[in-house]
Amino acid sequence: GIQVEQSPPDLILQEGANSTLRCNFSDSVNNLQWFHQNPWGQLINLFYIPSGTKQNGRLSATTVATERYSLLYISSSQTTDSGVYFCAVGIDKLIFGTGTRLQVFP
Amino acid sequence: NAGVMQNPRHLVRRRGQEARLRCSPMKGHSHVYWYRQLPEEGLKFMVYLQKENIIDESGMPKERFSAEFPKEGPSILRIQQVVRGDSAAYFCASTLVTTEQFFGPGTRLTVL
Repeated sequence: GIQVEQSPPDLILQEGANSTLRCNFSDSVNNLQWFHQNPWGQLINLFYIPSGTKQNGRLSATTVATERYSLLYISSSQTTDSGVYFCAVGIDKLIFGTGTRLQVFP
Repeated sequence: NAGVMQNPRHLVRRRGQEARLRCSPMKGHSHVYWYRQLPEEGLKFMVYLQKENIIDESGMPKERFSAEFPKEGPSILRIQQVVRGDSAAYFCASTLVTTEQFFGPGTRLTVL
C-alpha cells in the first residue's frame, strides 16, 4: 500500500517564526490534503492540493506530484497554530501520515 | 451549505454494550468514508460507502464492526459488544466523487 512519511515529527517555535513541513509519499495519487488537528481534537481542512501551489493567508502549500512530495509553509506562526499537522494521500481512501506536532510559544 | 455532521459528539459505553455512530454527509455528497483515530495516533481508514453499497471495507475489524449508508438517512457505524480498545475518535468524511474529502467533527467513544 501507499506509504506516507512526514517530517519533522516535532517542531517547537517561537511566535513569529516561519516553518516548513514535509510530506513524502510512495506512489501516484489523485488526492492530497493537509489538515490541522487542534488541541481539542478538531480536524481542520487546510488544503486540497494533489498538485501545484496554493496560498491561504499565512499558510501555503506546494505539491510536486512527479517527485511525490508536498510542503506546507507556515509563516509568522502564532500560538493558535499549535497542534498536529497531517498530510493524507490516496486514490479513494486517504492514507494519513503520522503527523508533525507543532508547538508555538509566545 | 451545512458541513458534515456527526452525532453524538461524545459517547460513553460500558464493555459489552453497543455503540451507534451517525454521519450525515454534506448536501449532495453520496460518498462516505469512516476513519478511526486511536489515542496519540494518526487516522486510519475503516470503510468507504456509497448509497446502499459498501465499496471498500478493507480497514474494518473482522468482527463486531459494521457500517451502512441507506438510501435515506445518515450513515451508521455500529460497534457491537464494545471493548476498551475501541475507545477512539471516529471521523467520517464525505465527498462528491473521489476528490476532496470533507471531515466531520468526530465522535469520541469512551468504553468504561
